[in-house]
Amino acid sequence: DAGVIQSPRHEVTEMGQEVTLRCKPISGHNSLFWYRQTMMRGLELLIYFNNNVPIDDSGMPEDRFSAKMPNASFSTLKIQPSEPRDSAVYFCASTIRGVIYGYTFGSGTRLTVV
Amino acid sequence: GENVEQHPSTLSVQEGDSAVIKCTYSDSASNYFPWYKQELGKGPQLIIDIRSNVGEKKDQRIAVTLNKTAKHFSLHITETQPEDSAVYFCAASKFNNDMRFGAGTRLTVKP
Repeated sequence: DAGVIQSPRHEVTEMGQEVTLRCKPISGHNSLFWYRQTMMRGLELLIYFNNNVPIDDSGMPEDRFSAKMPNASFSTLKIQPSEPRDSAVYFCASTIRGVIYGYTFGSGTRLTVV
Repeated sequence: GENVEQHPSTLSVQEGDSAVIKCTYSDSASNYFPWYKQELGKGPQLIIDIRSNVGEKKDQRIAVTLNKTAKHFSLHITETQPEDSAVYFCAASKFNNDMRFGAGTRLTVKP
């Protein structure tokens, strides 16, 4: 299994631009999570999906952030417009809902907004 | 919601010594407590976990203990090696949903 695949690995963009981060969960996993990691705030849960349905988006910082999961094998996290304070590493993770089981994380996308 | 606190934030040990990292959680309904290791430039990787119906679990040089009454759990690494150097995160969740992480412990093992 290739694990959780995220793209791009690095993204540098100018303030005000739209940024789209992508994630492909492990095949057969039915829960997907987006986390943001910063030195100040650690690992923060932004949103998670069960069976492609968003369950809890209370961690999404602002309306500038949105996430979708159109099918079981793909999810996106979009920031529009981006701001310098959005600079962080964004991780996607997946697991099997209903089974007490760890999350498998992707390698992350390092976002820098200048 | 769940709040997980982790101590210490940094830990430096000599190779061969033991390392202990401690976490507390707030939600008594949490029933799953994993530990993750994050190496530079990589995502967190699950190294060991424990469920609320178990008090202790061991896997070679690493062990985790859970005290449900006190709502705290700990990671123990024995005979540390330089490759154990990384950031370690504890986490807590209910039925594998909505997992909350501690702030992390940067472990350095000096040769």
